[in-house]
Amino acid sequence: EPEVTQTPSHQVTQMGQEVILRCVPISNHLYFYWYRQILGQKVEFLVSFYNNEISEKSEIFDDQFSVERPDGSNFTLKIRSTKLEDSAMYFCASSEWSTGEKLFFGSGTQLSVL
Amino acid sequence: AQTVTQSQPEMSVQEAETVTLSCTYDTSESDYYLFWYKQPPSRQMILVIRQEAYKQQNATENRFSVNFQKAAKSFSLKISDSQLGDAAMYFCARAPYTGTASKLTFGTGTRLQVTL
Repeated sequence: EPEVTQTPSHQVTQMGQEVILRCVPISNHLYFYWYRQILGQKVEFLVSFYNNEISEKSEIFDDQFSVERPDGSNFTLKIRSTKLEDSAMYFCASSEWSTGEKLFFGSGTQLSVL
Repeated sequence: AQTVTQSQPEMSVQEAETVTLSCTYDTSESDYYLFWYKQPPSRQMILVIRQEAYKQQNATENRFSVNFQKAAKSFSLKISDSQLGDAAMYFCARAPYTGTASKLTFGTGTRLQVTL
């Protein structure tokens, strides 16, 4: 089965630094997502992306966050100035179509902000 | 807020036995999608089963089946003939029927332990 690939698997950064989390969605998928999971808590939606623009975002996704699809394969999440509370597992996901479709998740990037 | 509630933080089942994980949700919509995702220790989220709310028939996938009670807003997962590999965190999730993307709202999860 095709996979969503995320790099790096672990990222440690200092508070206030910028981080970029990278994802390669499944090649024929059109919708891309970022979710996050703070340790011991539920998975939360951050943002969805379609046709080179954000289609929906949550209240968590403030001005410190941005997403980009810089080329035909990568999908990135940038956190401009990391805070301690940004420490979480970040999951990238993609789907072929939109609402109700099966989301394929990557293995996640564990972000630790010190 | 449209919430998803999983009232069982942990469950345990013996190998080869059957276990049911509970999920209730709150929504004002008449149509939507429901999912169960499995998260093993590797932390990757794996889709177990998907249900369309406009379908009355309960979804099944091999040993996994759901009991979807739309009026009660209940969506439980039954795992039959449990295997050691079923041990994981299980998340119930809901997605709207309309919209531009499959935005999932997850529950807090149920940790399933499978014993010999």
